[in-house]
Amino acid sequence: NAGVTQTPKFQVLKTGQSMTLQCAQDMNHEYMSWYRQDPGMGLRLIHYSVGAGITDQGEVPNGYNVSRSTTEDFPLRLLSAAPSQTSVYFCASSGLGTGIDQPQHFGDGTRLSIL
Amino acid sequence: DAKTTQPTSMDCAEGRAANLPCNHSTISGNEYVYWYRQIHSQGPQYIIHGLKNNETNEMASLIITEDRKSSTLILPHATLRDTAVYYCIVTGGKLIFGQGTELSVKP
Repeated sequence: NAGVTQTPKFQVLKTGQSMTLQCAQDMNHEYMSWYRQDPGMGLRLIHYSVGAGITDQGEVPNGYNVSRSTTEDFPLRLLSAAPSQTSVYFCASSGLGTGIDQPQHFGDGTRLSIL
Repeated sequence: DAKTTQPTSMDCAEGRAANLPCNHSTISGNEYVYWYRQIHSQGPQYIIHGLKNNETNEMASLIITEDRKSSTLILPHATLRDTAVYYCIVTGGKLIFGQGTELSVKP
């Protein structure tokens, strides 16, 4: 069972570079989301999507773009990386069920360092 | 989404029950109580959730007070592998994580 797959696992960028963090799930989940976790902190919601073609902002969306062209994939784009975006990024997915009451499944994270 | 209050840290002896409290006094009628945990630097792991009834699964039990303003996660026989940060989240939609409780299970 693949579940939620994040790539890459580690990445080092220079300030100003752009990159895309990939997230794919094979559970046919409608809901997908991105979080960042800074050292010693809880997770903060960046963006989320309730289905293909639908995205919305979370707590800390600035500096990040997302799109949802398929049910399976939810990539996160950093347009111009900044040192403040050094963090561990987690992707999660869940079904919508009869309401928003389905547990989320998390990937293993992408550890991103920006120099 | 309602805010939650959890102790910053707790200790528990191996083999004993771990009882993790959570206050959520502003919870709304349609909001669920979720518990997740994060072991070291892994992705969060779902434990259990409930609306108003107590719930039990293979990992834990969730006790929600009748007024729904607080809840307790119970790990019946804690092991060293249960050492983690435990997050209590109240939500009607998005998961918003707080600081959680750092549980240390000691031999």
